[in-house]
Amino acid sequence: GAVVSQHPSRVICKSGTSVKIECRSLDFQATTMFWYRQFPKQSLMLMATSNEGSKATYEQGVEKDKFLINHASLTLSTLTVTSAHPEDSSFYICSAPGTYNEQFFGPGTRLTVL
Amino acid sequence: GNSVTQMEGPVTLSEEAFLTINCTYTATGYPSLFWYVQYPGEGLQLLLKATKADDKGSNKGFEATYRKETTSFHLEKGSVQVSDSAVYFCALSDRGYFGNEKLTFGTGTRLTIIP
Repeated sequence: GAVVSQHPSRVICKSGTSVKIECRSLDFQATTMFWYRQFPKQSLMLMATSNEGSKATYEQGVEKDKFLINHASLTLSTLTVTSAHPEDSSFYICSAPGTYNEQFFGPGTRLTVL
Repeated sequence: GNSVTQMEGPVTLSEEAFLTINCTYTATGYPSLFWYVQYPGEGLQLLLKATKADDKGSNKGFEATYRKETTSFHLEKGSVQVSDSAVYFCALSDRGYFGNEKLTFGTGTRLTIIP
């Protein structure tokens, strides 16, 4: 089946720095990708829809200047957490629809902000 | 808005036991319903789906039936194996199964099967 990768799998950073997370569709193209955030023992919360060649669509309550999304190619979307703070610590997951419209998920990125 | 409520875990069962993980939903319109599974260290994978009322999704011995009258989509398996240990997520898509539609997830249920 189709594979979606994320890099890095874990990242620890200092408060005030920015962190970039990559989401790649390895053997298929994706004009749309989704970014989720998951808190411990909670649901995956959709943050934004990443659209290749155009601006991302953010869900209500998600700061677009805080979470910058760039979908520069048909296989790569990036999420940059700008000026990260401890409350941004979370598990970030991306997904992409495959050829038959099934959604494929990346393994997630654990962000810890000190 | 849409929401999914699923049985809180963790759930621990012995091998060959019967499994039920409850899931109920609230949605406007006619959602499609899904169960996703996340094995340790891996991404979420689609386990099964149902796109309309009374549909039954099935895969790997797991089944779930779309019950509109009770707004439920409970996951069942007759005889679980150690390899079924994972986290299970119930989810809905409010515009049908087209892949590009947004998913609303439940909180996930961690299942551990003891030999």
